[in-house]
Amino acid sequence: NAGVTQTPKFRVLKTGQSMTLLCAQDMNHEYMYWYRQDPGMGLRLIHYSVGEGTTAKGEVPDGYNVSRLKKQNFLLGLESAAPSQTSVYFCASSSGTRLVATFGSGTRLTVV
Amino acid sequence: AQSVTQLGSHVSVSEGALVLLRCNYSSSVPPYLFWYVQYPNQGLQLLLKYTTGATLVKGINGFEAEFKKSETSFHLTKPSAHMSDAAEYFCAVRVPYGNNRLAFGKGNQVVVIP
Repeated sequence: NAGVTQTPKFRVLKTGQSMTLLCAQDMNHEYMYWYRQDPGMGLRLIHYSVGEGTTAKGEVPDGYNVSRLKKQNFLLGLESAAPSQTSVYFCASSSGTRLVATFGSGTRLTVV
Repeated sequence: AQSVTQLGSHVSVSEGALVLLRCNYSSSVPPYLFWYVQYPNQGLQLLLKYTTGATLVKGINGFEAEFKKSETSFHLTKPSAHMSDAAEYFCAVRVPYGNNRLAFGKGNQVVVIP
C-alpha cells in the first residue's frame, strides 16, 4: 500500500523552463491537493480537485496549472518557472467520508 | 475566513521536560482541528484530530491536545520530551464547506536538548 507517491523527489530548473510534478494515490480518494511549503509560511494550498476531471484554485494558484484526468493522478505544472517558485511541494489526498489527509513525501524544487 | 495562529517558530525543550505547542484558530463554524508532524525530509503525518465529542484528544507518540471552545485553542502537549520528538509541528483547521481543505499554521520547529 504505497499511499501517496510524488515524482520527482528533487529537481533543479532554470528560470523560464517548464515541468510537471506527478502525484499518484492508490487509496481511491476523491479529493487531491497540491501545497507548497516555504520556511516560516507553513503550507499553502495551490490547487485542489474534488474528483476526476475537476480542479479549483487554492490560496496561491498563480503560475501553476493542474489536471486530474484520472482519479488516481493529480498533475501540477509550471509553464515558465520563476525563482519565487523555489519551494517544497506536497501532494495530499483525502476521502469524502474521512477527514484525514494523507501526504506524499514531497518534491524539492529549486529554480535558478 | 479560517485561520490558525502558532506562536514561536522555534521551540527548544529539554529531554524529559513538558512539550507545549500553542494553537489558536478562528472559524465561523464549529471547527475540525488537526495536528500534523513533519520529520526531516518527510511528508506530514497526522498526530491527532478533533472533530466532535471528547475535547481531550490523544494521539500517537504520547501527544495529546485539548479543544477549548471558549479560548478558541487546541494546544498540543506531551508530558516528557524524547529526542525523537525533534520535528516540525503544524496545527490545521478544516475549511468549512471547503471539500476537506485545510488551513495550516506556520509551524513550530521543535528542538530537543539532551
